[in-house]
Amino acid sequence: NAGVTQTPKFQVLKTGQSMTLQCAQDMNHNSMYWYRQDPGMGLRLIYYSASEGTTDKGEVPNGYNVSRLNKREFSLRLESAAPSQTSVYFCASSELGQTRAGNQPQHFGDGTRLSIL
Amino acid sequence: ELKVEQNPLFLSMQEGKNYTIYCNYSTTSDRLYWYRQDPGKSLESLFVLLSNGAVKQEGRLMASLDTKARLSTLHITAAVHDLSATYFCATYPRGSQGNLIFGKGTKLSVKP
Repeated sequence: NAGVTQTPKFQVLKTGQSMTLQCAQDMNHNSMYWYRQDPGMGLRLIYYSASEGTTDKGEVPNGYNVSRLNKREFSLRLESAAPSQTSVYFCASSELGQTRAGNQPQHFGDGTRLSIL
Repeated sequence: ELKVEQNPLFLSMQEGKNYTIYCNYSTTSDRLYWYRQDPGKSLESLFVLLSNGAVKQEGRLMASLDTKARLSTLHITAAVHDLSATYFCATYPRGSQGNLIFGKGTKLSVKP
């Protein structure tokens, strides 16, 4: 059971280049999330998708766009990369709502380590 | 706005000792999660605490939740080197459907 799969695992970009990070989950979860993790900052939510066809901003959405392609896939795009976007990016999935399923923890992918020069 | 604060942020322990990590959150919430992260790895769920007074235990780790005090604790009993990792607590603002707020993490190092 693969869980949450992220590609690529590593990437180096030049300032101004664009890139899309891919994420897919096979747990039939309705909700998916993108976080960034910076040293000493914990994880911060960039965007999330509560269900197929919907997306919402999180804490740090500026400079990013997302697409919920279908129930399984949620991509994160950097249109014009900046050095401040150097980070480790995690995708996660879960159910939502005050239900037995919705209270379960989010499941995380292995991360994409992105460096922008 | 919900804020989650963990302390300490760094913890160096000797094997065999006990210690507690604290997680305070600033507004009402009714779900609290603990995760573990090894260096360069993903986050692994440890505990889900869903009600006031909830207590969960797994091996040498025990987590509890006091929703009235807005406090969760992660207690380590007789630490061993394998527990060295960074531990995060996280919670949703009450009524929120997606915005999981994380603490900054506690980096635990257990030394022989």
